[in-house]
Amino acid sequence: GAGVSQSPSNKVTEKGKDVELRCDPISGHTALYWYRQSLGQGLEFLIYFQGNSAPDKSGLPSDRFSAERTGGSVSTLTIQRTQQEDSAVYLCASSRGTTGELFFGEGSRLTVL
Amino acid sequence: GESVGLHLPTLSVQEGDNSIINCAYSNSASDYFIWYKQESGKGPQFIIDIRSNMDKRQGQRVTVLLNKTVKHLSLQIAATQPGDSAVYFCAEANAGGTSYGKLTFGQGTILTVHP
Repeated sequence: GAGVSQSPSNKVTEKGKDVELRCDPISGHTALYWYRQSLGQGLEFLIYFQGNSAPDKSGLPSDRFSAERTGGSVSTLTIQRTQQEDSAVYLCASSRGTTGELFFGEGSRLTVL
Repeated sequence: GESVGLHLPTLSVQEGDNSIINCAYSNSASDYFIWYKQESGKGPQFIIDIRSNMDKRQGQRVTVLLNKTVKHLSLQIAATQPGDSAVYFCAEANAGGTSYGKLTFGQGTILTVHP
């Protein structure tokens, strides 16, 4: 499709399990972002990839969170040893360069029981 | 850290009226501001942006106003339509960061448009 694609759309997991969330950005977009949206915290920046540069990981809340971007395209956000406070919608976005005009996917809703 | 916040969490208007959504920011280093619209079950969608060297910018049916003196941002929607019903977020960034896409979002305002 033409937009940012995320999978799974919904994920329910048990506390302590690892989860992987996938993002397919818009073709040709060099920048990719992960944000988290929760009721208590609103929209929070997590991590940013730009081309071949080292990612900006300054928003990751703990070392249980990591992300990679392979071949400058698809990205995976991994949360290890999930906790209930990780429950949120994880949104991926892509853009051309460093513009603030981000194209968001519909998100992956994570529920940790 | 500093954050962007909203004065009003909800706004209800009649179809055809003009809507004004307000936002206060506290980071004086911010030089870029942006509005996003989020419909239920979807990701945020870009509406309009403005740099700190401007006071006003117009788009299609939308206008963003920036008052740097009082650190205030507003989004005006002309002739509001039921399809405008959504949550509206303001966000800010600054040139000292790695990207204008590294945004700090406000909490959001729910706009409801009644037919």
